[in-house]
Amino acid sequence: SQELEQSPQSLIVQEGKNLTINCTSSKTLYGLYWYKQKYGEGLIFLMMLQKGGEEKSHEKITAKLDEKKQQSSLHITASQPSHAGIYLCGADEAGGTSYGKLTFGQGTILTVHP
Amino acid sequence: DGGITQSPKYLFRKEGQNVTLSCEQNLNHDAMYWYRQDPGQGLRLIYYSQIVNDFQKGDIAEGYSVSREKKESFPLTVTSAQKNPTAFYLCASSIRSGGPRNTIYFGEGSWLTVV
Repeated sequence: SQELEQSPQSLIVQEGKNLTINCTSSKTLYGLYWYKQKYGEGLIFLMMLQKGGEEKSHEKITAKLDEKKQQSSLHITASQPSHAGIYLCGADEAGGTSYGKLTFGQGTILTVHP
Repeated sequence: DGGITQSPKYLFRKEGQNVTLSCEQNLNHDAMYWYRQDPGQGLRLIYYSQIVNDFQKGDIAEGYSVSREKKESFPLTVTSAQKNPTAFYLCASSIRSGGPRNTIYFGEGSWLTVV
């Protein structure tokens, strides 16, 4: 089965700073999902990437999938306290037909100091 | 409002008891999923259902059971056979399963503690 490694495991930044979270797999990432979670709460969908080289943005968050489809990055520009939380990447290992069965990384805990 | 509703939010179980976690969605989604999350870890798939009256085991199905009698409902029973049931349980849904990839939405989760 696919294993996802997220780095760093935790990150503390000052408000206004940029930051990047990485998600790496030894296998091809056919569908890569990014979610945000507050501790003890549900997952909020951020973005889904499928194609090598694909990049998507929403407000100050940009996610990319590399050309080889084995690594994805999540970049936050000018971080705010509202960005604090746990960021999770999830991968769909199905190459063709998708059944929505995701394998998740262990999460990255982001703290943003005002 | 449309979404996924999980209940209860907090549940305590005694040793040897079965408990059932509720998951209801009004998004008209065909596919539903149950995941388990342990502290400091990512989510692991317990069961999933592509359509009414059908469901499949995920990676950690032992000690759990599900049913899918209605499109909008996918309850999860944690049986006494589950050795370490204390965890955070998340229900999810998507428009379809077994086709093009689509967005998977999650509920707010339920905390289960064994006492």
